[in-house]
Amino acid sequence: DGGITQSPKYLFRKEGQNVTLSCEQNLNHDAMYWYRQDPGQGLRLIYYSQIVNDFQKGDIAEGYSVSREKKESFPLTVTSAQKNPTAFYLCASKPGLQGEPQHFGDGTRLSIL
Amino acid sequence: AQSVSQHNHHVILSEAASLELGCNYSYGGTVNLFWYVQYPGQHLQLLLKYFSGDPLVKGIKGFEAEFIKSKFSFNLRKPSVQWSDTAEYFCALYRGSARQLTFGSGTQLTVLP
Repeated sequence: DGGITQSPKYLFRKEGQNVTLSCEQNLNHDAMYWYRQDPGQGLRLIYYSQIVNDFQKGDIAEGYSVSREKKESFPLTVTSAQKNPTAFYLCASKPGLQGEPQHFGDGTRLSIL
Repeated sequence: AQSVSQHNHHVILSEAASLELGCNYSYGGTVNLFWYVQYPGQHLQLLLKYFSGDPLVKGIKGFEAEFIKSKFSFNLRKPSVQWSDTAEYFCALYRGSARQLTFGSGTQLTVLP
């Protein structure tokens, strides 16, 4: 079955550490996205990538970094510069056709120890 | 800047009651609009989408939404809710020129048996 796989499901980080969240898709989608979901704030866009080796900042990119070396993979690194990293992180992908809906992974919940 | 507003943060209904969740957006150009649902412990799923044409769109599980351009609204409706509709609902706006999806803050629907 095609889909988006995010791992791990739960992640704990000590303060001052960087941590990388994985997102893999086998849908052959061109575009991939990372969102952060906080209670009462909906989903906010962190980074997105329309094609391999290219990505753009979203609304809340500070303290995060991404790479897009392969079409299937779009890992997100939460750096120590992110002051409030505890959140639920969602990865999504979509085909290149305009307006096609995004498909979402199951998410990763990141908590600070 | 584009934005999506969902004014109801938490809605509580009894089974068989009718549902209407509000969604307003601020953007004057051509829009693609979506409603997503997130059931407890599950990933975001597409309920329905509007691209063009008939402003009344029907989605899965008996949901429908009406696009009213003059009111910049895309409200979600269901004539008779079930306990299994308990979930968080997100309205989203896609603007092709920006290639981004902007989400509302979400509405938590609780249906009492």
